Amino acid sequence: NAGVTQTPKFRILKIGQSMTLQCTQDMNHNYMYWYRQDPGMGLKLIYYSVGAGITDKGEVPNGYNVSRSTTEDFPLRLELAAPSQTSVYFCASIPPGRNEQFFGPGTRLTVL
Amino acid sequence: GDSVTQMEGPVTLSEEAFLTINCTYTATGYPSLFWYVQYPGEGLQLLLKATKADDKGSNKGFEATYRKETTSFHLEKGSVQVSDSAVYFCALSDRGYSTLTFGKGTMLLVSP
Repeated sequence: NAGVTQTPKFRILKIGQSMTLQCTQDMNHNYMYWYRQDPGMGLKLIYYSVGAGITDKGEVPNGYNVSRSTTEDFPLRLELAAPSQTSVYFCASIPPGRNEQFFGPGTRLTVL
Repeated sequence: GDSVTQMEGPVTLSEEAFLTINCTYTATGYPSLFWYVQYPGEGLQLLLKATKADDKGSNKGFEATYRKETTSFHLEKGSVQVSDSAVYFCALSDRGYSTLTFGKGTMLLVSP
């Protein structure tokens, strides 16, 4: 996974709760991404960042927020959890000089 | 917009059988194409890639050729092993900042 770490691995939330999914890489990657994976649906891009202080929406940003205050960290925030956000969340990054993404191990989130 | 279509699974094969997983794409530009593999309970790993027409990506006995005329990137392996059982995702990168568009994934089950 080229050194992309995600925490937590699992989490159960109640409807309306908030939480932050953490993603960190210590290899000075500029490009970082958040995806969600739903069964039988592939991965959908939520947000991405091309460097510290720069973020942009992907295909399915509603209900999520991100920040990129440092190159290393790219946290994903859920403010008011909903059952539709039950999914597996993957963070990814691209090493300098490459064009392929390397993925973290994922966070499995259940909203009840 | 961009899209990726993969054959639906599961694909069930006996060990040493020949594997083909079909992938076709729609893109406005000249995308890079990727195959990722996801083993049970893990994140995605890059399997192979191709960045221009007629390129062949290969890794671990898997191959795929970038066919611009048929907009395809089919994954093949001459002799599958039980350890190849996983979900395989075809993806393309066409838009800026190397964002990925994924197919829905194809599950491969190999029996001894």
